[in-house]
Order: sequence, then C-alpha cells, then structure tokens
Amino acid sequence: AQSVTQLGSHVSVSEGALVLLRCNYSSSVPPYLFWYVQYPNQGLQLLLKYTSAATLVKGINGFEAEFKKSETSFHLTKPSAHMSDAAEYFCAVIKGGYNKLIFGAGTRLAVHP
Amino acid sequence: EAQVTQNPRYLITVTGKKLTVTCSQNMNHEYMSWYRQDPGLGLRQIYYSMNVEVTDKGDVPEGYKVSRKEKRNFPLILESPSPNQTSLYFCASSFTGQNQPQHFGDGTRLSIL
Repeated sequence: AQSVTQLGSHVSVSEGALVLLRCNYSSSVPPYLFWYVQYPNQGLQLLLKYTSAATLVKGINGFEAEFKKSETSFHLTKPSAHMSDAAEYFCAVIKGGYNKLIFGAGTRLAVHP
Repeated sequence: EAQVTQNPRYLITVTGKKLTVTCSQNMNHEYMSWYRQDPGLGLRQIYYSMNVEVTDKGDVPEGYKVSRKEKRNFPLILESPSPNQTSLYFCASSFTGQNQPQHFGDGTRLSIL
C-alpha cells in the first residue's frame, strides 16, 4: 500500500538559507507524487508534481523536488528561503488507479530574519 | 475565477445537532473529495465521488454522509455530530486521472461542543 513519510514535523531556517523538506514514499508501482503548501487560514495549493516525465521537477515560488527511485524519496528544496515561505508543506502520493491522495503528516517551515 | 468554495468557514455547534458543510466547484471537475485535517495526522480522506451519483468511502467515513446530485456540488453531512469530529475540513476537486492535481477549498473549521 502506498504511504508517505515526512521527516521532521518542524523545520526552521534563516532567511536566505537553503530549504530542504524531506519526503519518502512507499509504493509498489511508479508513483505520482505531489507537494502542496498550506498558508495560514488557507487551503492547500499545489507546488509541484512528479509524473515520470523528468526526475527534477520545478514548481512555483522557486521550489523544486528531485525524484530518486533508489532512495524512494521526493525531497523539496529551495536555494534561498524567504519570509513568505513560512507555511506547512505536505507531500502526497496518488493511490493506485484512483485520484485518492495519501498525505504525509506535514512539515511546518519557519523562516527567521 | 476557478475555485472550490466551502461554507461555512467556521462553525461552533453542539453534539447531536445536524449540520451540512457545502462545497461547490466551477471547473467542471468529475472528481470531488472531502478531507479532515488533524495535527500530526496530515489530511485523511472522508468520502469521495468519481462523478454524479457515484460516491464511496475514504479512510475515515464514520459519522459522515455525502451526496452528489449535481456535478458542481458535494455537501458533507454530519447527522449527529460528536466532539471527535471537531476538525478542519477541506473539499477538493479535480479531473479524473492519476496525474491531475486537486484543487482545494479554503477549509471549514468545525468545533463540536
């Protein structure tokens, strides 16, 4: 069965520092993977998705993620954090032949001046 | 503007008093889904619908009902709410297909006293 593990429920970085949010998945077939961001009092917004076309996926707001099959990982990165990046980030995988999303528990990113 | 609209955004009510949370999308999506978000658990699917008059249980359906009489609407019904249903609820919609990203509403925060 598909599942998603996000390492670290809270991550804190300084403004301008590298952002690295970790996601590992378990899937018996090549997965469809997504990263979503949730700003305070808002719904989830799609950051990027992996659909097997390329292992390095670029998303909005300068984020990107690399699919590594050997490590079953899909970590999210951004070279330089901005204060506006403070939010909760969710990694998710599609289950089987349906649209069902399986979410990780989320990582809350704090950005300090 | 393409959007998923949930109402109400906030509701405080008492145990046993039936309530309905409405969800409407204007993107002609076939697939719609309800999630609840609880700290440390990410989002968990309650019910989903692949199209009009087609609904099915997600991972945590107990205590909830849904209907899909029209393509655009997918209300969530709590017939007899209990305190363990206090949560943040999200409606989402998408076209069918594993690589289709889901669009989320802004959420409904329910408190059951």
